Formats: sequence, structure tokens, C-alpha cells
Amino acid sequence: AAGVIQSPRHLIKEKRETATLKCYPIPRHDTVYWYQQGPGQDPQFLISFYEKMQSDKGSIPDRFSAQQFSDYHSELNMSSLELGDSALYFCASSSRRLASTIQETQYFGPGTRLLVL
Amino acid sequence: DQQVKQNSPSLSVQEGRISILNCDYTNSMFDYFLWYKKYPAEGPTFLISISSIKDKNEDGRFTVFLNKSAKHLSLHIVPSQPGDSAVYFCAASDGGSNYKLTFGKGTLLTVNP
Repeated sequence: AAGVIQSPRHLIKEKRETATLKCYPIPRHDTVYWYQQGPGQDPQFLISFYEKMQSDKGSIPDRFSAQQFSDYHSELNMSSLELGDSALYFCASSSRRLASTIQETQYFGPGTRLLVL
Repeated sequence: DQQVKQNSPSLSVQEGRISILNCDYTNSMFDYFLWYKKYPAEGPTFLISISSIKDKNEDGRFTVFLNKSAKHLSLHIVPSQPGDSAVYFCAASDGGSNYKLTFGKGTLLTVNP
């Protein structure tokens, strides 16, 4: 079965540079979530989109922005990169339209490992 | 404030025996709970879930138990296999809060042959 696709898988940037991470959800999924996982940490929610509209916002720095496009793929744009942005960035997708009122299972992509030097 | 807690950073069991991974939560608004398995350099893989209206859900070798009054859930793996060795994350969501997942810090399970 098709899974969540993330690109690139690895990214090396210098401080103050910008980066764009892409996420392609499972076909027919309408919701995308972004999570950041620092070394030895649990994944932390950044932001989510449902039907191309921002659904929720977590601990996402103002230097980061994201959007979901008409084909449901999403991009996370990161500017003025800092050393502390080095982490694994996961995208997850779900079908909110098909979920019950309390059950919505998120399926994760393989992640993008960002290293800021 | 860690709303989902996995107090055992690691667990080691023998192949064929039962693995029990525990998770506690503090937010009474959580109504859906999931377990994910994660290998290094890969994304979390969904294993099994349970909604707050149930106290047990079973899928093959995996069973999740939910004790709402104790705000506790556990994942049982029977029988354990070496391929089950991975980090297991407990996660919870609140449907009224747009379903974002709150994760525990994970438990590293090692199944010895």
C-alpha cells in the first residue's frame, strides 16, 4: 500500500539558511501533520492542515511556515535556520473525512533528517 | 509538563515470552490512544489503537488495555519475537483538539533469541 512520502530524506544546511521539506500524504488522505523529533526526544507537534486549511498549531517557531496545496501535499518552510533546528521532521497523514468522531489514525512518513551546521 | 509518560526507558524479554509496555497519561480529555513502533532512521509505524469507549483491543499478537480510571494503558505482545525489537511510543489525542498526537518518550524493547 502507498505510504507517506517525504523529501528530501536528508538535508544539511548552514545557519541562517532556508530549507523546504515536502510531504506527500497517502492517497485520499485529507489531513497532514508535521512533527519535530530532537535527539533522544519524543516527536513534538508543529502544525496540521485539513483540506488545505490550517487546522492546528503547536510549538512551531515564527521562522517556520507551512501550507497544504490543492493536491494535498504539504511543504514546511524553515528560514533563518539555527543549530537547534537540527532534528528529524516527520509528516503524518490521515483521513479525517472518514474517521469517526474520536478516532483518527495518523500514518507517518520516514522523516527528513535536518542537520544545521 | 509530560502529559503522556512511559516510565520505562527500556525493557528486555526472551523470545516467546510476553512483553508488557506501560503508558500513563494525565490529560483526561484524551479519548484515543495509539501505539507506534519505531526503528532507527525510520518513521513511526502504527501498531494498534484504542478509543476511550473500550477497555481492550486485540490485533494478532498485540493487545492494548485501557484503564480510564487509572489513566493507564498497556501494550501486550505475545509471543515476543526478535523482530519486535524497536522503540515503542505511546501516543494520545483529543478529538476536540484537532487530533494532534501527544507522545510519550518511548520504551526500547529488546527481544533476545
